[in-house]
Amino acid sequence: KNEVEQSPQNLTAQEGEFITINCSYSVGISALHWLQQHPGGGIVSLFMLSSGKKKHGRLIATINIQEKHSSLHITASHPRDSAVYICAVVTQGGSEKLVFGKGMKLTVNP
Amino acid sequence: NAGVTQTPKFQVLKTGQSMTLQCAQDMNHEYMSWYRQDPGMGLRLIHYSVGAGITDQGEVPNGYNVSRSTTEDFPLRLLSAAPSQTSVYFCASSLRWKGGHSYEQYFGPGTRLTVT
Repeated sequence: KNEVEQSPQNLTAQEGEFITINCSYSVGISALHWLQQHPGGGIVSLFMLSSGKKKHGRLIATINIQEKHSSLHITASHPRDSAVYICAVVTQGGSEKLVFGKGMKLTVNP
Repeated sequence: NAGVTQTPKFQVLKTGQSMTLQCAQDMNHEYMSWYRQDPGMGLRLIHYSVGAGITDQGEVPNGYNVSRSTTEDFPLRLLSAAPSQTSVYFCASSLRWKGGHSYEQYFGPGTRLTVT
């Protein structure tokens, strides 16, 4: 079983919809990253969080450490949000390594 | 700032050939890492470095070597290419993690490698 699971694996939405992407993990973590991979392949960091909630523009990321779960919400989705969204965790124990989920492919249709 | 740069963007190798994938960053980041991305799988760590002269293995290190002689550069060497190494390779950098606290990761544009 993967240490980091993302659901759903693929999602198609209509422009303007509210979208939720989920990430569950099975190990103790010290931080969780959300990344976005554009259709052209480039990867950018969206959020890094260890507790609570962060917001940037139309994106909101939340984490529940007790339930080992994080969500990435996109409000008022737009076709330019179409990308693969990747969750990655930093496991406890001081190891300086990220463990990645397989990613979720989002397609937003106009 | 150029950020994280990788060369080449594309490469085709024959089985048994060797090559070096270049990675450089101009943000004075101590932490650098190499990942491979294969269809249906998440990014997997190959090697990483927490500073010049310090490297360590990740999840899938076999068949790859790294060195870190400067803060800026972190080349990845394929010793004897195999078809199983066909993949997209990403280099990333960040500030050095302290006390288990990680920092924003900056990724290079990737190198698409095909081994025939």
